[in-house]
Amino acid sequence: AQSVTQPDIHITVSEGASLELRCNYSYGATPYLFWYVQSPGQGLQLLLKYFSGDTLVQGIKGFEAEFKRSQSSFNLRKPSVHWSDAAEYFCAVVSPSGYALNFGKGTSLLVTP
Amino acid sequence: GAGVSQSPSNKVTEKGKDVELRCDPISGHTALYWYRQSLGQGLEFLIYFQGNSAPDKSGLPSDRFSAERTGGSVSTLTIQRTQQEDSAVYLCASSGQGSSYNSPLHFGNGTRLTVT
Repeated sequence: AQSVTQPDIHITVSEGASLELRCNYSYGATPYLFWYVQSPGQGLQLLLKYFSGDTLVQGIKGFEAEFKRSQSSFNLRKPSVHWSDAAEYFCAVVSPSGYALNFGKGTSLLVTP
Repeated sequence: GAGVSQSPSNKVTEKGKDVELRCDPISGHTALYWYRQSLGQGLEFLIYFQGNSAPDKSGLPSDRFSAERTGGSVSTLTIQRTQQEDSAVYLCASSGQGSSYNSPLHFGNGTRLTVT
């Protein structure tokens, strides 16, 4: 079944440093992949999505992600992290039914001064 | 309203009691989803509505869980005979079209359920 794995439960980066959050997917064909962010006290918000075409996708808040079929990965990146980026990040893939999203367990990002 | 609204925001109940959780989706959104978020478990899909019908209810963990949607709008998730393992944050999301990849999911802030 389509699923995603986020290997890192917690990540700590310094403000201004670059960020990469890992996501690996399990799917036979080209998956539909997403990254969502859950900021403290707020609902989940879509950062970006990949369906097909260009493997580097741009999202909101300066985030980007690269789809790599050879590595079954869809890692999220940001060149310079801001303190406001501290949040929980979820990778997701469309479920076999095509209706819902299957989410990973999330990566909690802490940003230090 | 401007976003997905869920009520109550917090609910504490005794083991064995029934609870009802409510979701008001964004006006005009035909698709509605329920998820459960437990500590360390990420988001677990429960059920999907398109209009008033539920073509995918594969995520409901047991027959104690049920959900309905009326008028293509408000949805209620009911948990009967609650157990301590039901303690979690229950999230509702809505989207404008029939599949989750056609338009983004808009999530509410959730209902935190604690079963004592």
